[in-house]
Amino acid sequence: ETGVTQTPRHLVMGMTNKKSLKCEQHLGHNAMYWYKQSAKKPLELMFVYSLEERVENNSVPSRFSPECPNSSHLFLHLHTLQPEDSALYLCASSQGVAVPDTQYFGPGTRLTVL
Amino acid sequence: LAKTTQPISMDSYEGQEVNITCSHNNIATNDYITWYQQFPSQGPRFIIQGYKTKVTNEVASLFIPADRKSSTLSLPRVSLSDTAVYYCLVGVVDSNYQLIWGAGTKLIIKP
Repeated sequence: ETGVTQTPRHLVMGMTNKKSLKCEQHLGHNAMYWYKQSAKKPLELMFVYSLEERVENNSVPSRFSPECPNSSHLFLHLHTLQPEDSALYLCASSQGVAVPDTQYFGPGTRLTVL
Repeated sequence: LAKTTQPISMDSYEGQEVNITCSHNNIATNDYITWYQQFPSQGPRFIIQGYKTKVTNEVASLFIPADRKSSTLSLPRVSLSDTAVYYCLVGVVDSNYQLIWGAGTKLIIKP
C-alpha cells in the first residue's frame, strides 16, 4: 500500500527535542487527518484538513502543531513532548471531509518520548 | 455523541464464520457505520460501510437492525490471514465533524 506514506516510521525523542512527522498522499484526495493511537484505546482524531485549511482540532495540546502546505502533504511538528505522548501517530486521507468518505491510512510513525 | 462499544477480543477457527458486534446506542440519524481492519505495523484499512439493513461486498457483510443501535460485521469462512484488530467507526455528520472509533476487537484465527 503506497497511497499514503509516512516518515519516519520510528522516532525516539527527548522531552526537550523538536521533531516533525511527515505524511504524503498520492491519491489526489482533498482531506488529510492526524490520529493518535495508544495501546488498547480508540483512535483519537487530532486534526483534520480540507483543501489545506484546518477544519477540526479536538483540543489537542499546543505542543502538537500541524501544517498542511498543500493537499498532498501534511506535517505534525512536535516540541516539548511528554512521555504520555508516546504512541502510534497515523495519517489518513479521504476524498473529502463529508462522511461517509473512506479514509486511507498510512503505516504510522511509532513515537517514543523519553 | 455516539459512543461505540465492541468486544475486546474473539477467537475462531479457519473456515468458520465470524460475527463481531458493535453497540452504538446514541447513533444519530445521519451517522454511517464503517468497519476497518488493522494488521500490526500498518494503518487501518476500510472493510465495509453501511447506513441501515444489510450491505455485502467481496470480503464481508454488515448487518444493521432497524433501530441502528448496533451493527454486526460478518466475515465468512475466515482464514489465518484474517487475524487482525477490527474497528467500528460511527461518523457524525454535523458541524463538529466528530468521528467516534471503537476500541477495536482483536480477532485471532486458529488453524
